[in-house]
Amino acid sequence: QSALTQPPSASGSPGQSVAISCTGTSSDVGGYNYVSWYQQHPGKAPKLMIYEVNKRPSGVPDRFSGSKSGNTASLTVSGLQAEDEADYYCSSFAVSNQWVFGGGTKLTVL
Amino acid sequence: EVKLVESGGGLVQPGGSLRVSCAASGFTFSSHGLNWVRQAPGKGLEWVSYINDKGRDIYYTDSVKGRFTISRDNAKNSLYLQMNSLRVEDTAVYYCARDNNWASDFWGQGILVTV
Repeated sequence: QSALTQPPSASGSPGQSVAISCTGTSSDVGGYNYVSWYQQHPGKAPKLMIYEVNKRPSGVPDRFSGSKSGNTASLTVSGLQAEDEADYYCSSFAVSNQWVFGGGTKLTVL
Repeated sequence: EVKLVESGGGLVQPGGSLRVSCAASGFTFSSHGLNWVRQAPGKGLEWVSYINDKGRDIYYTDSVKGRFTISRDNAKNSLYLQMNSLRVEDTAVYYCARDNNWASDFWGQGILVTV
């Protein structure tokens, strides 16, 4: 099962919105509503930000939102703040009971 | 408070074996599936293995099938990953994570395995 495709980098100024895409296939992103997104700061464990495409765990700001269209999922961060600067990874359940991750996107707050 | 604490990492020669453990607390361990996810130095996340709440449904990524074995002891609130025939490319930080419908909602701090 191949990794999902994410842009290596994204950036935005404080207060702006930025969207990060995650492209898969009908065997993963497009076939299941089990897309999740993780934030990882340097040297830290990943943190769940979005699950089941567009659901936010308790404690995650509503500035973070998720969506999916066809084989592509997206994470949108609105009202960018300095603490949002981190690596972001998408993941999806995939055929044959596999779980696949994207390669990660480094988000820079300018 | 949910806590997951990995242990047992270290340096091992290629072809060697190592078992990493994950001690859980703060939730009903026997009611949740669990994942092992790894991250090679400077690289992205890679799912390794999943085990369901009763330990009956087990899945692996292709690159570790036949070499790694996931298991759990619900009486001890512990998760394990037995790694045999280790390769240089298995070098990574290994995280245990609580599964929630193919999303991992809580993660340990990770443990480094160097081959």
